[in-house]
Amino acid sequence: DAGITQSPRHKVTETGTPVTLRCHQTENHRYMYWYRQDPGHGLRLIHYSYGVKDTDKGEVSDGYSVSRSKTEDFLLTLESATSSQTSVYFCAICISLSGDYGYTFGSGTRLTVV
Amino acid sequence: ELKVEQNPLFLSMQEGKNYTIYCNYSTTSDRLYWYRQDPGKSLESLFVLLSNGAVKQEGRLMASLDTKARLSTLHITAAVHDLSATYFCAVGDYNNNDMRFGAGTRLTVKP
Repeated sequence: DAGITQSPRHKVTETGTPVTLRCHQTENHRYMYWYRQDPGHGLRLIHYSYGVKDTDKGEVSDGYSVSRSKTEDFLLTLESATSSQTSVYFCAICISLSGDYGYTFGSGTRLTVV
Repeated sequence: ELKVEQNPLFLSMQEGKNYTIYCNYSTTSDRLYWYRQDPGKSLESLFVLLSNGAVKQEGRLMASLDTKARLSTLHITAAVHDLSATYFCAVGDYNNNDMRFGAGTRLTVKP
């Protein structure tokens, strides 16, 4: 395993409440990503980070914010959760692969907004 | 904008049969990934294809990349039940140093 953990694994929250998901890596990789997975859509990029305090938006960033104050932690925040944000969220890191690079995913967080 | 189309979305096969999953993408990229996902689990990397004509094989799975046609295929040979899973292709998007995913192919292999 590439040393990437997500917490919590499951969460149920009420509409309008803030929610923060955490992604932690142990290997000092520069690039980290947050994806959401929904049926029929594959995985879609929410935000990504290319270093401490360096982040950028992805394909579906509305309603989400991120922070990266340390190399090892990448936080995803839903400021005011909505039912459309019910999804499975995956964190990923970019790792070196024999001179090129690939991606390793965390175990996912299943978020339900009621 | 990079778009990735995968087909079929659902595939039911009998054990021992062969089949191919297709992944088309819309803009130039020479980086193509295949992943497997079991229900309730994370994504497992299967193949990374980095150049035109690249072919990689692992067991009953073989992946290829044609960058000129913007097409990758995942060929399944003599399917077995253990191959039942959802398979995703993903194409490198240089703008974000990340990937754009296809919708996935849910494969069911029946005895």
